[in-house]
Amino acid sequence: GAGVSQSPSNKVTEKGKDVELRCDPISGHTALYWYRQSLGQGLEFLIYFQGNSAPDKSGLPSDRFSAERTGGSVSTLTIQRTQQEDSAVYLCGQRTGNTIYFGEGSWLTVV
Amino acid sequence: DQQVKQNSPSLSVQEGRISILNCDYTNSMFDYFLWYKKYPAEGPTFLISISSIKDKNEDGRFTVFLNKSAKHLSLHIVPSQPGDSAVYFCAATDSWGKLQFGAGTQVVVTP
Repeated sequence: GAGVSQSPSNKVTEKGKDVELRCDPISGHTALYWYRQSLGQGLEFLIYFQGNSAPDKSGLPSDRFSAERTGGSVSTLTIQRTQQEDSAVYLCGQRTGNTIYFGEGSWLTVV
Repeated sequence: DQQVKQNSPSLSVQEGRISILNCDYTNSMFDYFLWYKKYPAEGPTFLISISSIKDKNEDGRFTVFLNKSAKHLSLHIVPSQPGDSAVYFCAATDSWGKLQFGAGTQVVVTP
């Protein structure tokens, strides 16, 4: 949607390993959002960026989760010491006007 | 604290008939509302939105109604088509902070 690119599209990792998920929005759009959807659940807010700063990171589930954004563009969501409950699709969205357009998601499976 | 609620987890409707999806919210500060559609293994796709200063917005087969006094909005799809079978999410935001989603309603359009 609207050119938001996420990588990897699929990731299987062993419990305890770190993973990094990347979001490439269209440059020039200032607001970027991260959500996740676990199996059978709704969309859970994680964090959003305005420029390179994160006014609201209240949704990050634990200190194992962190995110950064550089140059007002690319964002990386890092999960340290992954647990099985981290298995979900992680969605990145960029705001254009009064709409957030989402990428196809990064599907994370922790085994 | 679920501030956006979709109380119907599923809806079955005949092709050609109207689909009505409902959404309730508790936060009176919400000033913008959006509906998204999601197919399995894809990111959410924006459908239609409405500002709190309006009570109706229409786009093709999709119409969103907002009743601020009741803190209720609904999405009407008419006529329903087989391709409309998906999960529909209602979302709301307060001055474009985080976007809060409901749990979703699974719509099945039957022949």
